[in-house]
Amino acid sequence: QSVLTQPPSASGSPGHSITISCSGSSSNIGSNFVYWYQQFPGTAPKLLIYRNNQRPSGVPDRFSGSKSGTSASLAISGLRSEDEADYHCTAWDDSLSSAVFGGGTKLTVL
Amino acid sequence: QITLKESGPTLVKPTQTLTLTCTFSGFSLATSGVGVGWIRQPPGKALEWLALIYGNDLKRYSPSLQSRLTVTRDTSKNQVVLTMTNMDPVDAGTYFCAHRPYDPFGSMYFDYWGQGALVAVSS
Repeated sequence: QSVLTQPPSASGSPGHSITISCSGSSSNIGSNFVYWYQQFPGTAPKLLIYRNNQRPSGVPDRFSGSKSGTSASLAISGLRSEDEADYHCTAWDDSLSSAVFGGGTKLTVL
Repeated sequence: QITLKESGPTLVKPTQTLTLTCTFSGFSLATSGVGVGWIRQPPGKALEWLALIYGNDLKRYSPSLQSRLTVTRDTSKNQVVLTMTNMDPVDAGTYFCAHRPYDPFGSMYFDYWGQGALVAVSS
């Protein structure tokens, strides 16, 4: 059972948009930054979003992050087949004194 | 260019100690605020943060695993070593080391990752 809650799966059609949610609590998302990673099968995670809504250099602006209260979201617009991957959210948890992750969301582009 | 690579055994027996080495290049662990972290992922499961070490030798551990973990650094060799004692089959998975950049807000996140080391635990 992960501290942050993500839907296990999500799907969308090419060219469409999708949003992946990440739900937490006041001790993690509610009081700290949220980060998102993209992970393809058999590879290491790649930083996608940092500090809630910032994109590292090289990440397309089709990817965007947001946070409201104790929840965060990753939005992907103009879905492409190459976006098929697992997406993980993470934040620091002040109560646990630990970084915590969501269970990951497997995105399928139909 | 920042790169990291994990090395160590692919198989350990239950109750044994796992020792993994992260060899990195492209940055100095002596740089203020920079760190190297360890994260693991059981097959098909979520990521789990394990430990982080800074260049000033400050260390942070996951509270749930702290009693079993030790992280050390060798700045001359550009290496970070993670040891985990009393291994159990539930500890099997891929172990990643990753670069923690300087962050003015003091946040913990990782912008470069190693390819991962797959570890099995079985007698």
